[in-house]
Amino acid sequence: DTGVSQNPRHKITKRGQNVTFRCDPISEHNRLYWYRQTLGQGPEFLTYFQNEAQLEKSRLLSDRFSAERPKGSFSTLEIQRTEQGDSAMYLCASSPQDLMNTEAFFGQGTRLTVV
Amino acid sequence: AQSVAQPEDQVNVAEGNPLTVKCTYSVSGNPYLFWYVQYPNRGLQFLLKYITGDNLVKGSYGFEAEFNKSQTSFHLKKPSALVSDSALYFCAVISNTGGFKTIFGAGTRLFVKA
Repeated sequence: DTGVSQNPRHKITKRGQNVTFRCDPISEHNRLYWYRQTLGQGPEFLTYFQNEAQLEKSRLLSDRFSAERPKGSFSTLEIQRTEQGDSAMYLCASSPQDLMNTEAFFGQGTRLTVV
Repeated sequence: AQSVAQPEDQVNVAEGNPLTVKCTYSVSGNPYLFWYVQYPNRGLQFLLKYITGDNLVKGSYGFEAEFNKSQTSFHLKKPSALVSDSALYFCAVISNTGGFKTIFGAGTRLFVKA
């Protein structure tokens, strides 16, 4: 396993279009997280899954955002009717369901630019 | 609510000198504390963590951090800085009282001059 994989790496879209990002976590990791990072800031939590269950969503996750992890493996994050303020790096991370090994392993992110 | 504060936007240090990057936290319950590093055009990488046990934890690339419960701090340190340590450093916390989401600080940019 080569780590957390995110696709695409870059996405440029016009305002109002829908976009979907994919994350493939480390295969044995039960937990999967989505974060958003803007330039010079720390990652902001969006949502997380334990297996296929979405256990928590941030208030940052407006109605235009939806995330799924249908089989407890890969996850998708969809943004509908994109706005310029959605431009950011979207990070995915995974971790095992283990109290002593809670560090997250991050993918390289998907950079979204809304024009 | 959980939060992490990194009071310095930027830290400058000369190569070979010791470095400290500061972090304080606020969390209910016992904290799980982390440091991550982000190099340009690369993903976040885990450096070290404190879960329980010794207050001084050692991590990758010669970094260490000291957990201080009374001061709610978890400062990152290295005895001798390298130019290649220049990067963006994030302190992070997980609370064990509910959920396992990691909350990150705003980050501190470390510049190590030759």
